[in-house]
Amino acid sequence: GVTQSPTHLIKTRGQQVTLRCSSQSGHNTVSWYQQALGQGPQFIFQYYREEENGRGNFPPRFSGLQFPNDSSELNVNALELDDSALYLCASSIAGGPDTQYFGPGTRLTVL
Amino acid sequence: KQEVTQIPAALSVPEGENLVLNCSFTDSAIYNLQWFRQDPGKGLTSLLLIQSSQREQTSGRLNASLDKSSGRSTLYIAASQPGDSATYLCAVYAIGSSNTGKLIFGQGTTLQVKP
Repeated sequence: GVTQSPTHLIKTRGQQVTLRCSSQSGHNTVSWYQQALGQGPQFIFQYYREEENGRGNFPPRFSGLQFPNDSSELNVNALELDDSALYLCASSIAGGPDTQYFGPGTRLTVL
Repeated sequence: KQEVTQIPAALSVPEGENLVLNCSFTDSAIYNLQWFRQDPGKGLTSLLLIQSSQREQTSGRLNASLDKSSGRSTLYIAASQPGDSATYLCAVYAIGSSNTGKLIFGQGTTLQVKP
């Protein structure tokens, strides 16, 4: 399945954070979502074969990387209080409308 | 701009009751619609995926329908159990270059099934 690390993270405003995701084996697409408390997930961006393949309405301080070994990262610079959320990654077989399989998420708290 | 709405936001029912969760979307240009379950503080578990050419999908006690022309989907849960208590999210995969890779979610319906 899809795994994410760490499970929980506490940072202070202005810091930088890196969240990690390990995709399901054989999946070459990973998508990242931000879910604020009580809201549905919001699409951040998608990576397909190590290149960004679509981006939601998030500023450039949200960036990502995808590696050939089924792992990927979400980096957030200059953290703001509103970045506190559950961050979910999802993997799929190809960069299209396939079923996306979600990981358990990383809970980020910004103080 | 595609928007997804779920009604009601919360629902409490006694065990054994049949129930319906509603999802509506504003643009019928979708590839598919998916229903997810989310337990508190956890990730999403896919329940059912309906392609745009399909009318319904069934899995066990769950049945999801899709009426693309009216922009509506329903998730029917038969004989509800306390273990069904969770938040249920619907999401559409919209057609269009600006929507590449993007599932658009509703805000969810939080279901409580009382023993």
